[in-house]
Amino acid sequence: NAGVTQTPKFQVLKTGQSMTLQCAQDMNHNSMYWYRQDPGMGLRLIYYSASEGTTDKGEVPNGYNVSRLNKREFSLRLESAAPSQTSVYFCATERDLGGFSYGYTFGSGTRLTVV
Amino acid sequence: GDSVTQMEGPVTLSEEAFLTINCTYTATGYPSLFWYVQYPGEGLQLLLKATKADDKGSNKGFEATYRKETTSFHLEKGSVQVSDSAVYFCALSGGYSTLTFGKGTMLLVSP
Repeated sequence: NAGVTQTPKFQVLKTGQSMTLQCAQDMNHNSMYWYRQDPGMGLRLIYYSASEGTTDKGEVPNGYNVSRLNKREFSLRLESAAPSQTSVYFCATERDLGGFSYGYTFGSGTRLTVV
Repeated sequence: GDSVTQMEGPVTLSEEAFLTINCTYTATGYPSLFWYVQYPGEGLQLLLKATKADDKGSNKGFEATYRKETTSFHLEKGSVQVSDSAVYFCALSGGYSTLTFGKGTMLLVSP
């Protein structure tokens, strides 16, 4: 089935550890996004990539880095995890056409706990 | 900048009741508007969208009309089911900008 695949689904880290969240899509979409979802805060954009080879900061980029490895894959890295990064992380892709958005397709999320 | 305001929840209804979830927005230009739904433990799914004023988006019995004069995009359903229990997000896209989401409204439907 076409879609957005995120790995892992669950992860527990100790403060200071590093990890990479993986996202892959087979929809041939140009744009990819990383959001975090926290209770009462809705979804907040961390980083996005409008096309292969480009990345831009979103609303809450501090403590994160991203890599757009190719058109299919967009990874999110936490270099030194902090308890404030405990959250659910969603990757999304967008079929866009010259600035006209058809809406995002989301992965099922990674639930990260930092202790 | 762009912003989306949704009514706070939870919204608690009995099965077959009428649903309205209010959404208003602030944006420059002519954004596209969306409703997403998130079922427990899952990612967000696109429910419906509207791309210009007076457009009505509809899907699975849900409807929303793009009202430019009131900058609103309220979600409605005539008869909710228990299976509609979820969190609903209103969102807008201002062309080349990224999607801006509201904070979400939880809907709880009891039998």
